[in-house]
Amino acid sequence: DAGVIQSPRHEVTEMGQEVTLRCKPISGHNSLFWYRQTMMRGLELLIYFNNNVPIDDSGMPEDRFSAKMPNASFSTLKIQPSEPRDSAVYFCASRGAVSFFGQGTRLTVV
Amino acid sequence: GNSVTQMEGPVTLSEEAFLTINCTYTATGYPSLFWYVQYPGEGLQLLLKATKADDKGSNKGFEATYRKETTSFHLEKGSVQVSDSAVYFCALSDHLGGTSYGKLTFGQGTILTVHP
Repeated sequence: DAGVIQSPRHEVTEMGQEVTLRCKPISGHNSLFWYRQTMMRGLELLIYFNNNVPIDDSGMPEDRFSAKMPNASFSTLKIQPSEPRDSAVYFCASRGAVSFFGQGTRLTVV
Repeated sequence: GNSVTQMEGPVTLSEEAFLTINCTYTATGYPSLFWYVQYPGEGLQLLLKATKADDKGSNKGFEATYRKETTSFHLEKGSVQVSDSAVYFCALSDHLGGTSYGKLTFGQGTILTVHP
């Protein structure tokens, strides 16, 4: 298995633009998690899904953030409009017995 | 709620030195405990885990023992190498089958630098 695949690896965008981050979980894993990593806050859980259904989105910072999981093999995290304070590394993880993480998307909003 | 506290970093050691990174937790019930490692520019990789009290997780020379009486899961390695330089995260999750579906709560991370 190729592991959890995220795209893009790096994204630079201007403030106000829409940003979409993508994740392909490991086949057979039922749970999918989106985390954000910053120097100030460390690793924060944003939202997670089980069997494609959002379970808890209480970590989503604002209404500008939204996430979907239309099927078992794909999830997106969207920020619209983006702001400089959204700059961070965003990780997707999927879980079978334990959680496996993707390589992350480094987002820079200028 | 659940929380994880790691020792303050960064930690700087010479090659072949002994490593300890302290980790304590607060949780209801009987969580599973993990150590993840993050190399520069990479995602998090599972280093080791323990699922019940007194379990010892081990991998690549690293060890950690689940101590319920002290709510701790300290990471140790007898002889570190330059290639061990990375950020180490302690984490916990509720057991699968609960309502949290195994979401992880992380400590703040400890930066380890090993010099030749």
